[in-house]
Amino acid sequence: GAGVSQSPRYKVAKRGQDVALRCDPISGHVSLFWYQQALGQGPEFLTYFQNEAQLDKSGLPSDRFFAERPEGSVSTLKIQRTQQEDSAVYLCASSLFPANEQFFGPGTRLTVL
Amino acid sequence: GENVEQHPSTLSVQEGDSAVIKCTYSDSASNYFPWYKQELGKRPQLIIDIRSNVGEKKDQRIAVTLNKTAKHFSLHITETQPEDSAVYFCAATPGGAGNMLTFGGGTRLMVKP
Repeated sequence: GAGVSQSPRYKVAKRGQDVALRCDPISGHVSLFWYQQALGQGPEFLTYFQNEAQLDKSGLPSDRFFAERPEGSVSTLKIQRTQQEDSAVYLCASSLFPANEQFFGPGTRLTVL
Repeated sequence: GENVEQHPSTLSVQEGDSAVIKCTYSDSASNYFPWYKQELGKRPQLIIDIRSNVGEKKDQRIAVTLNKTAKHFSLHITETQPEDSAVYFCAATPGGAGNMLTFGGGTRLMVKP
């Protein structure tokens, strides 16, 4: 079946622009995670949803970062007033239930000029 | 919070040799330890995982060992093949598989034919 998909795969933004990154989890998956992966490093947790509820946003680096999952399926990560330090790959992962393994999407590579 | 250290950062082996990657974690409450393989530009893919009630798990050429007392776990790949070349990440979480993962910094494995 279809895995986790993300769009766009690549995004170039000028500093100060707003961006929106989309994640389509595996159908029926309850849990959804966003991670940020800087070049040459491991992914770092940003935020977690269980259905439409955002249960943990402790990893969001600043109030410029906002995530939503209004209907408990597709999620959007929005970054306002992008900065160069926001350049990274943004990974989305989903799991069927809170106790199951996480499946990752291919990521969105964000480059802020 | 949890902190995961991973060593070595790069590992070069000859085809057919074994490769071992080691990780340590800080939170004694961590109970789920997955390993992900990430090829260049691709999504992280789960290759094996272990829960804290088990000391060792094996899947064909891949095995993982866990020492809860010492708070470290290791990935063992036997009979390495060129297609094993990738970046490997360990991770840990105190909340089970569906909780946010804390990743190590990654190990770039190169298998020379």
